[in-house]
Amino acid sequence: DGGITQSPKYLFRKEGQNVTLSCEQNLNHDAMYWYRQDPGQGLRLIYYSQIVNDFQKGDIAEGYSVSREKKESFPLTVTSAQKNPTAFYLCASSRGQAQADTQYFGPGTRLTVL
Amino acid sequence: GDSVTQMEGPVTLSEEAFLTINCTYTATGYPSLFWYVQYPGEGLQLLLKATKADDKGSNKGFEATYRKETTSFHLEKGSVQVSDSAVYFCALSRAGGTSYGKLTFGQGTILTVHP
Repeated sequence: DGGITQSPKYLFRKEGQNVTLSCEQNLNHDAMYWYRQDPGQGLRLIYYSQIVNDFQKGDIAEGYSVSREKKESFPLTVTSAQKNPTAFYLCASSRGQAQADTQYFGPGTRLTVL
Repeated sequence: GDSVTQMEGPVTLSEEAFLTINCTYTATGYPSLFWYVQYPGEGLQLLLKATKADDKGSNKGFEATYRKETTSFHLEKGSVQVSDSAVYFCALSRAGGTSYGKLTFGQGTILTVHP
């Protein structure tokens, strides 16, 4: 079955540590995205990538970094510079970036800073 | 900039009741409009979408019509079930400039359906 996998499902981090969230897709999609979800709020875009080896900042990129070395993988690193990293992180992918293209979401990673 | 406003929740209904969740948007041009659903602890699933004015998206008994004149995309279902309990997000996508491919979400509406 095609889809998007994210790991781990739950992640705990001590203050001052960097952590990396995994996102893999086998849908052969060109575009991939990272969103952050906070309680009672909609999703906010962190980074997106249209093609391999290229990515752009979204609305809330500060304190985060990404890479896109393979088409199917788009890992997100939450750095110690991110002031309030506790949130639910969702990865998505789409065939392209036309406005009608549907974005498909993974199951998410819940990050908690201790 | 682009924005999406959903009716505030939570919404609590009895099984077989009629559901409406209001969604209005602000965007230039002609965005595509989406409804996503999120079940507890899971990612988002596309429920339905519409890509041009007067289009009606439908899926699993849910419907929404793209109304350009009122900039709205209200979600409706004639008879809800307990299994419809979830969080519903309205979103838009608009091509051009820095908005290319980006989804702008509303804040989400929590729906709880009681037997």
